[in-house]
Amino acid sequence: GDSVTQMEGPVTLSEEAFLTINCTYTATGYPSLFWYVQYPGEGLQLLLKATKADDKGSNKGFEATYRKETTSFHLEKGSVQVSDSAVYFCALNGASGTPLVFGKGTRLSVIA
Amino acid sequence: GAGVSQTPSNKVTEKGKYVELRCDPISGHTALYWYRQSLGQGPEFLIYFQGTGAADDSGLPNDRFFAVRPEGSVSTLKIQRTERGDSAMYLCASSLAGPSSYEQYFGPGTRLTVT
Repeated sequence: GDSVTQMEGPVTLSEEAFLTINCTYTATGYPSLFWYVQYPGEGLQLLLKATKADDKGSNKGFEATYRKETTSFHLEKGSVQVSDSAVYFCALNGASGTPLVFGKGTRLSVIA
Repeated sequence: GAGVSQTPSNKVTEKGKYVELRCDPISGHTALYWYRQSLGQGPEFLIYFQGTGAADDSGLPNDRFFAVRPEGSVSTLKIQRTERGDSAMYLCASSLAGPSSYEQYFGPGTRLTVT
């Protein structure tokens, strides 16, 4: 079945450092790919998405590019802030309206 | 507008008891999903409704778990004879129907603790 593997955390960075969180997937067909974020005490929020190969999703300074050849969707940000501290989840679904398959999550802590 | 809401936010129950968890989706969203998130893990799919019917219940772990959505809006997840292993955060999400409706909007979750 479909699956998502993301780098294990926790990841601790200083403010303004560069962030990469790796995500690879296994799926039949051409899934849509997502990054969700869970801030402390809050629910899951969609951060960005890409629905086809070579698409780049971006939001709040975060970016991820759908790489079909490497089955990857790595999350990047050029300069993290303390407010980016959260748990980040990579996810996919095979088609609109179908359930999401999530990775285990990566906890990011950004220190001033 | 109002997002997905879930009640209660916390539920503590004794082993063997019955519990109901409620989800109010975003108005107009025809698809509704239940996920379970254990500590340190990503959410895992339980069941998905399209309208009133369960389109996919393959994620329900056993027959102690059941969910309904009788009027195509509010959904209730029901767990019978609770076990300590059922302790987790239960998340509900909703989305619009249609070929371009990929985004699922999540509620804040219900934290269930079985003692």
